[in-house]
Amino acid sequence: KAGVTQTPRYLIKTRGQQVTLSCSPISGHRSVSWYQQTPGQGLQFLFEYFSETQRNKGNFPGRFSGRQFSNSRSEMNVSTLELGDSALYLCASSLTPGLGDGYTFGSGTRLTVV
Amino acid sequence: AQSVTQPDIHITVSEGASLELRCNYSYGATPYLFWYVQSPGQGLQLLLKYFSGDTLVQGIKGFEAEFKRSQSSFNLRKPSVHWSDAAEYFCAVGPDNTDKLIFGTGTRLQVFP
Repeated sequence: KAGVTQTPRYLIKTRGQQVTLSCSPISGHRSVSWYQQTPGQGLQFLFEYFSETQRNKGNFPGRFSGRQFSNSRSEMNVSTLELGDSALYLCASSLTPGLGDGYTFGSGTRLTVV
Repeated sequence: AQSVTQPDIHITVSEGASLELRCNYSYGATPYLFWYVQSPGQGLQLLLKYFSGDTLVQGIKGFEAEFKRSQSSFNLRKPSVHWSDAAEYFCAVGPDNTDKLIFGTGTRLQVFP
């Protein structure tokens, strides 16, 4: 079956702009989480959604937001982009909330802010 | 607060040699423990996970890991490394009542022929 699909794969934006990233989980998976990966900070948890509700949020400013749709697809939005937002953004899905099922990660969206 | 330490930033081994990647965690109870692998430009692939039970866990691609509560460690091992194992390896820990994974800083594995 298809894995976790993230679009677009690459994105270049200008400082001050906003961006929306998309994630389609594995069919049947209802929990979606987002992580940011940078060389300096490593992998950091952004937020997690289940049944269109945000269950957990990491320590990121309010410029970072997300949502989940009824078909479990998720989007994350970053407004007023800063150079430091350049990163690989990874989406992960699981059958249910909690870590028991383990996460399946997508290939990520590489965001470059110039 | 929970934390994960991967002491080795970079490891180089010869193809066919054995491998052990170290991971130490800090957490009050028994955590959920994971090892992921990331190839360049790719996402994370789950190698194995430990929740409870047998402390020696078998994973994909011939990898295994052993949970040692007394040492707060969850080291990853492979008896014979293949060139295709070259990648970055991440250890992660999570409390069972949330969905948040805390990752280590990763170990980059280089394999020489």
